[in-house]
Amino acid sequence: NAGVTQTPKFRVLKTGQSMTLLCAQDMNHEYMYWYRQDPGMGLRLIHYSVGEGTTAKGEVPDGYNVSRLKKQNFLLGLESAAPSQTSVYFCASSRDRAHEQYFGPGTRLTVT
Amino acid sequence: RKEVEQDPGPFNVPEGATVAFNCTYSNSASQSFFWYRQDCRKEPKLLMSVYSSGNEDGRFTAQLNRASQYISLLIRDSKLSDSATYLCAAASGGSYIPTFGRGTSLIVHP
Repeated sequence: NAGVTQTPKFRVLKTGQSMTLLCAQDMNHEYMYWYRQDPGMGLRLIHYSVGEGTTAKGEVPDGYNVSRLKKQNFLLGLESAAPSQTSVYFCASSRDRAHEQYFGPGTRLTVT
Repeated sequence: RKEVEQDPGPFNVPEGATVAFNCTYSNSASQSFFWYRQDCRKEPKLLMSVYSSGNEDGRFTAQLNRASQYISLLIRDSKLSDSATYLCAAASGGSYIPTFGRGTSLIVHP
């Protein structure tokens, strides 16, 4: 039982490049989330999903897209990376909105 | 104003001390509350859920005060290993998706 896993763990991108971050969970959770964490800013919700095939915008969705084609996977895409997207990205999942979230180990992204 | 607010600290305490953190939330409709612990360069991990009646887990006690809209975390007999950032979360708003505070840093020294 791996919990929540994220791929990759580290990545360096040049401005304008694109990439996809993969999140996978094996707990059969309905809800999945993508956050970014920057120094002094705490966790900020980018997008979330309340079930397979659904997505919704969070607090800071601009510049990101997501897809939830399978219940266990939640993908975060950056179409044209910008230095402002340099951050640590955490994926999380939960059984439902009232229950605790389980986080992945994070992806450290640097955009130069 | 952020929906969930915490004093960033750091709280610098000696081993064995008792320390308490508060976390205020702005949405009175919030239903679910949590405390998470985050170690440096690691992911947040659930420390405790916070129930209306309060709950205790070993040295840790969490309380909810709905009238004043805050939750608290009390750590007794602090250990060096308690040094971390403590994040609170409240599920508020129509979607009830949890919102996190920015965290409170705790440093326990010998």
